[in-house]
Amino acid sequence: EAQVTQNPRYLITVTGKKLTVTCSQNMNHEYMSWYRQDPGLGLRQIYYSMNVEVTDKGDVPEGYKVSRKEKRNFPLILESPSPNQTSLYFCASSLRGVEANVLTFGAGSRLTVL
Amino acid sequence: LAKTTQPISMDSYEGQEVNITCSHNNIATNDYITWYQQFPSQGPRFIIQGYKTKVTNEVASLFIPADRKSSTLSLPRVSLSDTAVYYCLVGQGDTGRRALTFGSGTRLQVQP
Repeated sequence: EAQVTQNPRYLITVTGKKLTVTCSQNMNHEYMSWYRQDPGLGLRQIYYSMNVEVTDKGDVPEGYKVSRKEKRNFPLILESPSPNQTSLYFCASSLRGVEANVLTFGAGSRLTVL
Repeated sequence: LAKTTQPISMDSYEGQEVNITCSHNNIATNDYITWYQQFPSQGPRFIIQGYKTKVTNEVASLFIPADRKSSTLSLPRVSLSDTAVYYCLVGQGDTGRRALTFGSGTRLQVQP
């Protein structure tokens, strides 16, 4: 089944404890991106990647890092999480070309930072 | 990047047609218009995409006027299961910077 898989789905952590949210897609998509969703603010893009080793900032990159060493994986790294990073996170991927804005989203990762 | 504006919420009844309009006044020549549906605690799901005129698939229609400064998602004969948040996304298909900005979405509530 074609899908984007995120892990963990739920996580409670404490301020300053580094964590990684993994994202993997099995559709050979070139484009991958991360979003956070907060009540009343819709989806805001954190980082995106056009292809392996190519990443760029979205609208809200502060406090996050990403890497794209393999085409299928695009982990989101919070080096020193803070309470304002408590949110619902989504990873998404797509092909290039005409289908470039047809994103496949993961199920989401709900993160709570205490 | 094209900024989008949608109504915050809409109400409807089962069996009615629902039209949700998205305004995108500064849309660029090579921008596509894409609509997503999101249920609580789930990732958004692609509904339909278009560039101009009208596009129809098995779940919705998308109407885009000639100036492309707005678009309307049409859901025929909605049911309770269509209660969700609908997002309009305008972006450059595959050229230039691929930062994609979603609007705040429209919360559709369908009543029996």
